[in-house]
Amino acid sequence: DAKTTQPPSMDCAEGRAANLPCNHSTISGNEYVYWYRQIHSQGPQYIIHGLKNNETNEMASLIITEDRKSSTLILPHATLRDTAVYYCIVSLTGNQFYFGTGTSLTVIP
Amino acid sequence: SQTIHQWPATLVQPVGSPLSLECTVEGTSNPNLYWYRQAAGRGLQLLFYSVGIGQISSEVPQNLSASRPQDRQFILSSKKLLLSDSSFYLCAWSVRDGTEAFFGQGTRLTVV
Repeated sequence: DAKTTQPPSMDCAEGRAANLPCNHSTISGNEYVYWYRQIHSQGPQYIIHGLKNNETNEMASLIITEDRKSSTLILPHATLRDTAVYYCIVSLTGNQFYFGTGTSLTVIP
Repeated sequence: SQTIHQWPATLVQPVGSPLSLECTVEGTSNPNLYWYRQAAGRGLQLLFYSVGIGQISSEVPQNLSASRPQDRQFILSSKKLLLSDSSFYLCAWSVRDGTEAFFGQGTRLTVV
């Protein structure tokens, strides 16, 4: 049972930042926020995760609000290869991962 | 390094035939293992997960079953396939008490 809400689709111009929102108002105190993406006909790829603090890695940044009820995945300089479905998931460590329908991001040349 | 192998990549089976999809993980021990299904244009649906040999939890009742005969082997089966079983099936693993899950490349099953 997915516990997150995401917009079904978004567009982003190539080279610009892509900001993907996610609402998780029922998140519990020890649940993490995970982001995955799925390029067509491939298995999902892990992007980033966080608990309370903002996180950054080589792929993206994750901004979590202070009340932890929402978060934003930021792709700082979107490329055409970032076109994919992006999934926001809340889960305990070592537990099952429930995927919703995600946000279909299209990066436009 | 850890790798996950899932095969076959594509499969066409007649209605009523049996199914066996295999998934193996290398480079780790005692992983959590998962089977997901994804209908066309839809999100991923968790079917089964396993925390150890012979330990299978089912998320959705259906004509599919899963088995874990070895620590790093996870098998998805059906005795008689239905047309509605046509889907994209994905295997995944995660470290026990770990964070992210790692997915195989999936099997696209078409039941005709």
